[in-house]
Amino acid sequence: EDKVVQSPLSLVVHEGDTVTLNCSYEVTNFRSLLWYKQEKKAPTFLFMLTSSGIEKKSGRLSSILDKKELFSILNITATQTGDSAVYLCAVGAGNNRKLIWGLGTSLAVNP
Amino acid sequence: NAGVTQTPKFQVLKTGQSMTLQCAQDMNHEYMSWYRQDPGMGLRLIHYSVGAGITDQGEVPNGYNVSRSTTEDFPLRLLSAAPSQTSVYFCASSRLQTGSGSPLHFGNGTRLTVT
Repeated sequence: EDKVVQSPLSLVVHEGDTVTLNCSYEVTNFRSLLWYKQEKKAPTFLFMLTSSGIEKKSGRLSSILDKKELFSILNITATQTGDSAVYLCAVGAGNNRKLIWGLGTSLAVNP
Repeated sequence: NAGVTQTPKFQVLKTGQSMTLQCAQDMNHEYMSWYRQDPGMGLRLIHYSVGAGITDQGEVPNGYNVSRSTTEDFPLRLLSAAPSQTSVYFCASSRLQTGSGSPLHFGNGTRLTVT
């Protein structure tokens, strides 16, 4: 059965800390891995990764995929209170290109 | 562009009532979908559509109907509401079918309570 596991489930840090969120997967016919940020409302798209070893970067956020070890990490440097959110990982897989979602990591950044 | 627009934002129903959640997108996306999000369960796919006139079931389709008469609109119907359908519902669209390298764009959600 296809599955996506995120860790940790929750995390509390202080402003300025660096955090690393993990997403591991076991799927048939991997196609892509996506990261989303969800605050109070809708998930918003952060990154999509399809190739192993190539880092995607946007400001203080970056992500990399390891297709050999079947995981991705999302790094946030110099965290701010506005980074507080649930971070969701989803993997596109299979001939029908379905998305398998992880349960998310809840990040709280304290001032 | 408004993106993906969902209405209503909040709704309270009594058991057995029916209602339609509306979803519209103005990005000319072929793929549209409905998810429900529950604590500890994550996002679960209810129904999806790969184009006008084509719909298919997702992971948790029971109790819900959909139709796709136009590219822009993808309403979700609850035929006879049950307390188990209390949830937050998200409509999402993408240029291509999910997992094909095209990220999903989400609406702001509808919080539904069935009493």
